[in-house]
Amino acid sequence: GAVVSQHPSWVICKSGTSVKIECRSLDFQATTMFWYRQFPKQSLMLMATSNEGSKATYEQGVEKDKFLINHASLTLSTLTVTSAHPEDSSFYICSARPFISGQGMNTEAFFGQGTRLTVV
Amino acid sequence: AQKVTQAQTEISVVEKEDVTLDCVYETRDTTYYLFWYKQPPSGELVFLIRRNSFDEQNEISGRYSWNFQKSTSSFNFTITASQVVDSAVYFCALRVYNFNKFYFGSGTKLNVKP
Repeated sequence: GAVVSQHPSWVICKSGTSVKIECRSLDFQATTMFWYRQFPKQSLMLMATSNEGSKATYEQGVEKDKFLINHASLTLSTLTVTSAHPEDSSFYICSARPFISGQGMNTEAFFGQGTRLTVV
Repeated sequence: AQKVTQAQTEISVVEKEDVTLDCVYETRDTTYYLFWYKQPPSGELVFLIRRNSFDEQNEISGRYSWNFQKSTSSFNFTITASQVVDSAVYFCALRVYNFNKFYFGSGTKLNVKP
């Protein structure tokens, strides 16, 4: 199956610093990537949808300036948590959808292994 | 609006028991996809199955089986002869045709004890 890789798997940072998380599709091109956040013992909440070469679409309540998303290529999207605070500590998961001509949005989405962010 | 409900927060069974995880969904769309994912303690989401709304045929894959019933808007997941390695959080999810967004249930934590 298709592979989506996230890096780093975990990160600890000091309050006030910025952290960048990478999401790569290793064996397919992804025109669309998604970023989710998961609080402990809770479900996944979609934060934003990023499309290659255009601005990300953020879900209601997600701060665009806080969570910067860049989808610079067909295999890489990055999420930067700016000026991180302890309340940003969470598990962040990306997913990517392969581009298959003629299928539009109706292709499978594959998930990365997640990044556990701890802000101290 | 779309919604997925997993009423069972946590289930504990003893190894070799069968266990069924419930999933009820809501949508007004006629074309949609239903999914089950497994999330082990390491955190990654492991895809288990995708079912589209026009395919109500039940599916069996090894010890796993899925029962899709549109009449009750349910997509239940049964593990037969459970094993300790099945311990994980299981998520049911819904995606509407031609839309990107996944709607995840709150998850069911399965504990399989030896």
